[in-house]
Amino acid sequence: DGGITQSPKYLFRKEGQNVTLSCEQNLNHDAMYWYRQDPGQGLRLIYYSQIVNDFQKGDIAEGYSVSREKKESFPLTVTSAQKNPTAFYLCASSPPGYSGNTIYFGEGSWLTVV
Amino acid sequence: GQNIDQPTEMTATEGAIVQINCTYQTSGFNGLFWYQQHAGEAPTFLSYNVLDGLEEKGRFSSFLSRSKGYSYLLLKELQMKDSASYLCAVRDLNTNAGKSTFGDGTTLTVKP
Repeated sequence: DGGITQSPKYLFRKEGQNVTLSCEQNLNHDAMYWYRQDPGQGLRLIYYSQIVNDFQKGDIAEGYSVSREKKESFPLTVTSAQKNPTAFYLCASSPPGYSGNTIYFGEGSWLTVV
Repeated sequence: GQNIDQPTEMTATEGAIVQINCTYQTSGFNGLFWYQQHAGEAPTFLSYNVLDGLEEKGRFSSFLSRSKGYSYLLLKELQMKDSASYLCAVRDLNTNAGKSTFGDGTTLTVKP
């Protein structure tokens, strides 16, 4: 079945440590996204990529990094520079172009600082 | 940029009807989404409005007025499973759907 797979579902980070969240899709979508969601809030865009080997900062990119070496994969690294990383992280993808209206979400990853 | 407002919380009774409002301000409008999100899960798509008017899909309907910067989601015959957060998201011109700006969501509690 086609879809988006995020891993791990739950992750704990120690102070000063970098962690990487995995996101893989087999929908053959060009565009992929990472969002952060804090309790009681909507989704905020961290990074997005419209094509392989290219990505753009979203609204809250500081303290995060991404790569897009393959169409299927868009991993997110939460660096030690992100001072408040505890949140729910969602990966998503969408078909190319501006006419589509569908976003496909992964199941999300919970990151907690310990 | 956009500014999106929706009520933080609403409570309704099983079997009733509830209307969740969303107002927005944007420099270039190209569609409005409604998503349902249960706690700890990913959002699921409910509706997408780009033209004025009401779109009905089963128990859920969504309305848009572009001139007023206003939308609502109407849920009929409420069920306990409808207890969730409902997110309004607005999409700018010449952007992919994933670059939409999300409101903070309205937490709906359905009581017996």
